Amino acid sequence: EIVLTQSPDTLSLSPGERATLSCRASQRIYSSYLAWYQQKPGQAPRLLIYGASSRATGIPNRFSGSGAGADFTLTIGRLEPEDFAVYYCQQYDKAPVTFGQGTRLDIK
Amino acid sequence: EVQLVESGGGLVPPGRSLRLSCAASGFTFDDYAMHWVRLVPGKGLEWVSGLTWNRGNMDYADSVRGRFTISRDNAKNTLYLQMNSLRIEDTALYYCAKGLAAAVVTDAFDIWGQGTRVTVSS
Repeated sequence: EIVLTQSPDTLSLSPGERATLSCRASQRIYSSYLAWYQQKPGQAPRLLIYGASSRATGIPNRFSGSGAGADFTLTIGRLEPEDFAVYYCQQYDKAPVTFGQGTRLDIK
Repeated sequence: EVQLVESGGGLVPPGRSLRLSCAASGFTFDDYAMHWVRLVPGKGLEWVSGLTWNRGNMDYADSVRGRFTISRDNAKNTLYLQMNSLRIEDTALYYCAKGLAAAVVTDAFDIWGQGTRVTVSS
């Protein structure tokens, strides 16, 4: 199965700063079948990005995804207070679908 | 309003069974594949199983294959997960999730329920 490794495990930033989260796959992901989710405590995950760079419905444009092959990035342009959460990447190129271990974005 | 509502979780001893249900509303249920994903304490998200719109294709994580069975009733807009021979490591919050497409079990998930908690403990 494809193993996804996210870095860093924890990122501490202040509102207004830019966040860059990384997701590296153990093998190439074809067709950019890579998604990003946000999860807050007590809430279900929310789809942010699919197809590596397409924003899901209703997602603010400060969230952007990029990358191809085995290296992908989620960028949050200017952090809002509500952006502090755990972020997961997910590949859906090959069965089984797998998730990264998550990056916790904390308020500094 | 698009909604998924899970039910059926609980506390059970190892070796017992549970059946989870997921009631869907606000979208055409039989236009999409549906999935179960679990949030394991201290570990993160793990995909469990997926089923295409017409039940033609299904898949399972290796950790549950042979013990869990996914099914759906399109007339009732409901997804199920029959969990047999439960193990302590199956303890998790189980989410029902809607795939982006109808006919694949490898997909991203755009709608999630709030989850139902399963605790396996003696």
